Amino acid sequence: ETGVTQSPTHLIKTRGQQVTLRCSSQSGHNTVSWYQQALGQGPQFIFQYYREEENGRGNFPPRFSGLQFPNYSSELNVNALELDDSALYLCASSFPGAYNEQFFGPGTRLTVL
Amino acid sequence: DAKTTQPPSMDCAEGRAANLPCNHSTISGNEYVYWYRQIHSQGPQYIIHGLKNNETNEMASLIITEDRKSSTLILPHATLRDTAVYYCIVRTHSGGGADGLTFGKGTHLIIQP
Repeated sequence: ETGVTQSPTHLIKTRGQQVTLRCSSQSGHNTVSWYQQALGQGPQFIFQYYREEENGRGNFPPRFSGLQFPNYSSELNVNALELDDSALYLCASSFPGAYNEQFFGPGTRLTVL
Repeated sequence: DAKTTQPPSMDCAEGRAANLPCNHSTISGNEYVYWYRQIHSQGPQYIIHGLKNNETNEMASLIITEDRKSSTLILPHATLRDTAVYYCIVRTHSGGGADGLTFGKGTHLIIQP
């Protein structure tokens, strides 16, 4: 157990809808990263938030957006859902330091129909 | 970040040492080698990292060749609970860690009873 929690565990949406996923970081961690993991693939970096600001972004379109709150919890929002957005969404918390080890939550399984 | 090459799958007998190879021939001088693993239906878990010296912790040992173009993760006494996908990642230690982790497809290690 890493202390990183995500909600909900599973979610089913239809194409075109919007979704919000939530993540609570491990105590003392002020950085949250989000990843998308399609079936059979490794996780792909979406973006990272540090002190409530987006701090880096992978190759994902603007319809993927996020927020980080003063308590360092975070949300991932996806607009205009597409079938290919079906995946496991992982968040990871960390504290910037010498090697920035990331602690992952269990993920949210999103299915888009 | 440099790319890595790993075998897609490996078997190992329970109680034996599991040796997982990784090639990273384009690694640069300031890039570290990280290993994470992902047990089915869980988020990735940090195992170990190193720059050029061999490293050992309570989970595993990391052997990096002198030219740093390849490495081996060693689980000294594999158990059934070590069955997982193992990811080898190379990255720099950027100050804010804003670039996320770049996962490939990893090696699916299956521990046989």
